[in-house]
Amino acid sequence: QVQLVQSGTEVKKPGASVKVSCKASGYPFSDYGISWVRQAPGQGLEWMGWVSAYNGNTKYADKVQGRVSMTTDASTNTAYMALWSLKSDDTAVYYCARDRRLSDYSSKWYPFTYWGQGTLVTVSS
Amino acid sequence: DIQMTQSPSSLSASVGDRVTITCRASQGISNSLAWYQKKPGKAPKLLLYAASSLGTGVPSRFNGSGSGTDYTLTISSLQPEDFATYFCQQYYTTPLFGPGTKVDI
Repeated sequence: QVQLVQSGTEVKKPGASVKVSCKASGYPFSDYGISWVRQAPGQGLEWMGWVSAYNGNTKYADKVQGRVSMTTDASTNTAYMALWSLKSDDTAVYYCARDRRLSDYSSKWYPFTYWGQGTLVTVSS
Repeated sequence: DIQMTQSPSSLSASVGDRVTITCRASQGISNSLAWYQKKPGKAPKLLLYAASSLGTGVPSRFNGSGSGTDYTLTISSLQPEDFATYFCQQYYTTPLFGPGTKVDI
């Protein structure tokens, strides 16, 4: 069965950086991408970006462009989301989700069937 | 850029009620619309995709409809486990979620 298991809770100070991992199992990792979605306390869901596990293509939301990097490691079936210059409004639960979008050559996007359990990142001085 | 709105933002209902939530896109999204259920401390769950296709294992009391810019999620008979927040998402372009509708007692 498809599983996405994320790393644990993080507490960071403003200006620091964080790297969240998402280990995939139960499917051919390089046949899919991974999207990252976050939910700040009391707020809605915000798509942050996508990375292809096939070729490393990425697409980031404008709001985090320049502060985020999404990568994958096929040797460990793990995706990573790094965010730096953290601010208090980056406090959120961060989710990874399996994404059928494989390459930036495609214009198609897809809904998210499988999700990780979420990682709480708290940014506080 | 596409904008997504949902209405209402919250509603109170009882078990057995029929509940309808509306999602509107600022431009046509060709049925590239999904609905998710979100409970506190849990990951979102895909309920419907392509506006009206039921996700795997999702009860048939959940129904989606719509086209163009306007879409609807209907729960035909609300069950205790359905009290949650519901989000629409367009994936016609880079994914974007609606602001959510909280369904409570």
